[in-house]
Amino acid sequence: GENVEQHPSTLSVQEGDSAVIKCTYSDSASNYFPWYKQELGKGPQLIIDIRSNVGEKKDQRIAVTLNKTAKHFSLHITETQPEDSAVYFCAASDAGGTSYGKLTFGQGTILTVHP
Amino acid sequence: DGGITQSPKYLFRKEGQNVTLSCEQNLNHDAMYWYRQDPGQGLRLIYYSQIVNDFQKGDIAEGYSVSREKKESFPLTVTSAQKNPTAFYLCASSMFGDSDEKLFFGSGTQLSVL
Repeated sequence: GENVEQHPSTLSVQEGDSAVIKCTYSDSASNYFPWYKQELGKGPQLIIDIRSNVGEKKDQRIAVTLNKTAKHFSLHITETQPEDSAVYFCAASDAGGTSYGKLTFGQGTILTVHP
Repeated sequence: DGGITQSPKYLFRKEGQNVTLSCEQNLNHDAMYWYRQDPGQGLRLIYYSQIVNDFQKGDIAEGYSVSREKKESFPLTVTSAQKNPTAFYLCASSMFGDSDEKLFFGSGTQLSVL
């Protein structure tokens, strides 16, 4: 089955700096890669996702890049703000395939943005 | 408001007791899921259901049971066979057949053992 590794486990940055979180996956059949943000005591919320036919996707201050050959994808947050502080999870699945809807999650990254 | 409602927010289980966690959605989603979250381990899939009256085991189904009698509801029972039930439990849903397979999560239930 799929295995997703996420690094780093904790990340501390100053307000205004950029933050990068990286994930690698093992199953070459995976084609859908979402990123979730989880605030304390709440459920994860989808912030951005990318499919394997696209190399990069941007949405305001966040972007995701995908390298299918190397089987890794990254989340980039620019101009970080204190409200970006949360736990971030990457995930992977073969959307439309045999593991429909069964996302495999990374271990999570605790991002802290200092004012 | 459309969304996923989990209850209760906090739940305590006594030794040998079965407890049931509620999950209701009004998003008209076909598929529903239960994930378990432990610190430092990400989210692990317990059970999932793509249609009413059908469900499949996920990666860590032992000690858990589910039912899917209505499209809107997917309750999870943590049985006494689950020896380490303390965790944060998350319910999610998605539209079956949606090519994006976006998961929408509830706000979770924290289960602790007395």
